[in-house]
Amino acid sequence: GNSVTQMEGPVTLSEEAFLTINCTYTATGYPSLFWYVQYPGEGLQLLLKATKADDKGSNKGFEATYRKETTSFHLEKGSVQVSDSAVYFCALILSGGYQKVTFGTGTKLQVIP
Amino acid sequence: KAGVTQTPRYLIKTRGQQVTLSCSPISGHRSVSWYQQTPGQGLQFLFEYFSETQRNKGNFPGRFSGRQFSNSRSEMNVSTLELGDSALYLCASSLEVNEKLFFGSGTQLSVL
Repeated sequence: GNSVTQMEGPVTLSEEAFLTINCTYTATGYPSLFWYVQYPGEGLQLLLKATKADDKGSNKGFEATYRKETTSFHLEKGSVQVSDSAVYFCALILSGGYQKVTFGTGTKLQVIP
Repeated sequence: KAGVTQTPRYLIKTRGQQVTLSCSPISGHRSVSWYQQTPGQGLQFLFEYFSETQRNKGNFPGRFSGRQFSNSRSEMNVSTLELGDSALYLCASSLEVNEKLFFGSGTQLSVL
């Protein structure tokens, strides 16, 4: 079956530090990959996505590159802010037909001033 | 355009009761999916509806059910509540299947 594995949290960083949240996946086909973010008390929001190998998704200073050879989609940001404190979810969906989204367990990020 | 609306925001029930949660998708979205979020299990897929038909179902017992109406609004029902059903229930809508999801803020269910 399909699965997404994320690094365990929480991740605590100082403001302006470099962020990496690891995500690897297992899929039976050719998935599209996503990062969603959940701020406290809210639902999830799409942060970025990539639909094929070597695509780079980017938004709000966050980036992730679809690496088919390593089945990875690591999230990076060069300089985090306190406002980036949230839970980040890696997810995949297969193309074709009615496919369900498979989410990772989430990684909590806490940025301290 | 209004976002995904879930009601109620908070709910407290006792074991054995049943509960119905409501989700109004973004106007024009035909796909609605439901997720259970708990600290230990993360996000677990419950089911997905598209044009009033259930298209996908997760690995939950039959106590969990749902439906979608002709206006795309969706409800999920949990019967014979157990303590372990305490969770944040999230609804998401999308324009078509396999497209990006727009989530509501969720319904926080506490079972006492």
